Amino acid sequence: KNEVEQSPQNLTAQEGEFITINCSYSVGISALHWLQQHPGGGIVSLFMLSSGKKKHGRLIATINIQEKHSSLHITASHPRDSAVYICAVRWGGSEKLVFGKGMKLTVNP
Amino acid sequence: DSGVTQTPKHLITATGQRVTLRCSPRSGDLSVYWYQQSLDQGLQFLIQYYNGEERAKGNILERFSAQQFPDLHSELNLSSLELGDSALYFCASSVWGGDDTQYFGPGTRLTVL
Repeated sequence: KNEVEQSPQNLTAQEGEFITINCSYSVGISALHWLQQHPGGGIVSLFMLSSGKKKHGRLIATINIQEKHSSLHITASHPRDSAVYICAVRWGGSEKLVFGKGMKLTVNP
Repeated sequence: DSGVTQTPKHLITATGQRVTLRCSPRSGDLSVYWYQQSLDQGLQFLIQYYNGEERAKGNILERFSAQQFPDLHSELNLSSLELGDSALYFCASSVWGGDDTQYFGPGTRLTVL
């Protein structure tokens, strides 16, 4: 069983929809990262969270430490948001990131 | 463009061979990370270097080794290659480490035939 679970694994949406991507982890963490991998393979770091909520443009990331759960929300989705979204966690005392398997998002025009 | 460069972009080789992947971090970044991404395993952390010293080790096979040079570029050496080593290999860099933002290179796609 993976220590980091993402759901759903795939999601298809229509342009303009509000999208939520979920990530759950098994034990307490030091920090959680959200990454975006474009269809061409390039990876971009979106957010790092240790508590609360962060916003950047149309993206909002939240984390609930007690429930060991994080969500990435995309408002007013656009076809250019089509990508794989990957959650990764770091436990205290370790530099190692452990990754979820990612969620493939397709936004249709 | 993240500022992290990786060469080569593609590499095709045979089982049993040895290859070297190269990574140049962003200017000013002291930490370099190596990751492997395969279809069945997803992204996996291999190893991290900070200012020339190994800082953390993940699921790196004994056939694999890495180093970071005084100019901070890094190389990942893969030897006795097996079919299962076929994957995308990413390098990332950050200023210090920890939860600094990591900037990913474009990756090297390794195909072992």
